[in-house]
Amino acid sequence: QQPVQSPQAVILREGEDAVINCSSSKALYSVHWYRQKHGEAPIFLMILLKGGEQKGHDKISASFNEKKQQSSLYLTASQLSYSGTYFCGTVDRGSTLGRLYFGRGTQLTVWP
Amino acid sequence: NAGVTQTPKFQVLKTGQSMTLQCAQDMNHNSMYWYRQDPGMGLRLIYYSASEGTTDKGEVPNGYNVSRLNKREFSLRLESAAPSQTSVYFCASRQGPVSNQPQHFGDGTRLSIL
Repeated sequence: QQPVQSPQAVILREGEDAVINCSSSKALYSVHWYRQKHGEAPIFLMILLKGGEQKGHDKISASFNEKKQQSSLYLTASQLSYSGTYFCGTVDRGSTLGRLYFGRGTQLTVWP
Repeated sequence: NAGVTQTPKFQVLKTGQSMTLQCAQDMNHNSMYWYRQDPGMGLRLIYYSASEGTTDKGEVPNGYNVSRLNKREFSLRLESAAPSQTSVYFCASRQGPVSNQPQHFGDGTRLSIL
């Protein structure tokens, strides 16, 4: 039930774009995205609830393809502050307690 | 704005010792969670409490017990610590079990068992 994230790691130059993918073998109700910097707590980025929904936060956006049970996180014109590990968390459709299953994370490094 | 507070922040134990990790939230949230984070493994759920008075096992509950003391506090106990329990432990809370609400994490407890 743990979603699969890809790639495991990404190295970018400042200003480049990146895409992080999250896929599940289960039908999903929602997808959550978090970012964690080294030695710190995960910080909430966004939740996607509906199939096809797209959300944005500054230059970070995400999409959710309900039919494919996939979500993608888009980081545009990356900044040094985007460095960290990104986790997706999925909630299965029909879950009564809204339990989150987290992927193993994608480590993003942005160099100047 | 304290949010989710975990104590202690660091702890070193010897194999076989016991200890309790404390977690408190001041956001009036109903649901609380304990995760462990190991390198390359992501966040794995140990136990959770969807509401005051209820607790349920997560993915990796063996070797742990929990107590939902009241709405604010959710503690995690290691009865007989083992080296395999060396990890970073995060407590989190959420308004309720409804899936369109974010989880808020504490700063973590770094636990080493020798």
